[in-house]
Amino acid sequence: KAGVTQTPRYLIKTRGQQVTLSCSPISGHRSVSWYQQTPGQGLQFLFEYFSETQRNKGNFPGRFSGRQFSNSRSEMNVSTLELGDSALYLCASSLEQGARGAFFGQGTRLTVV
Amino acid sequence: AQSVAQPEDQVNVAEGNPLTVKCTYSVSGNPYLFWYVQYPNRGLQFLLKYITGDNLVKGSYGFEAEFNKSQTSFHLKKPSALVSDSALYFCAVRGSSGGYNKLIFGAGTRLAVHP
Repeated sequence: KAGVTQTPRYLIKTRGQQVTLSCSPISGHRSVSWYQQTPGQGLQFLFEYFSETQRNKGNFPGRFSGRQFSNSRSEMNVSTLELGDSALYLCASSLEQGARGAFFGQGTRLTVV
Repeated sequence: AQSVAQPEDQVNVAEGNPLTVKCTYSVSGNPYLFWYVQYPNRGLQFLLKYITGDNLVKGSYGFEAEFNKSQTSFHLKKPSALVSDSALYFCAVRGSSGGYNKLIFGAGTRLAVHP
């Protein structure tokens, strides 16, 4: 069974631009969560989607958004990029809502210049 | 509010010696507890979890963790460390209430195993 796939692996963007990151969960998994990892703030929860609905949201500005498609694939979007958005963005998939474990992808390394 | 503390930024161990990476948590209700490992430029790899049952949980690569409810701890252990165990280790908690999959992570502990 393939694991969680995130694309692209690396991105370089300019301040003010927007970016879309993609996550394909493990086959059969319906819950997708997103996390931001930075050296200063560590791993922080962004949001969770289940059956195409956002179920939970972390403490991030509205520039961060996401969605989930009917095949459970998810995208997250960051608009008006700031230097501080440079981070490793990790996607995790779980079998169901309230699942007892999450499996992570390799992440997308976003650099904002 | 849920929180996780990993009190050590770094743990240094000689190869072949036992290792312990500490984690304490705060959560309302019964906790779901997890350990993940991260190698450079990689995502998080699942090591083990505690949901309910035996306090000693066995996981991948010879790791185990002991759940202690009275001390609200979930320390990661391995009887004999390998150089290849050198990585960043994260403890995470999720509350059992609600159906959400939001994990709260500790700051991480860097494990360095020396030959």
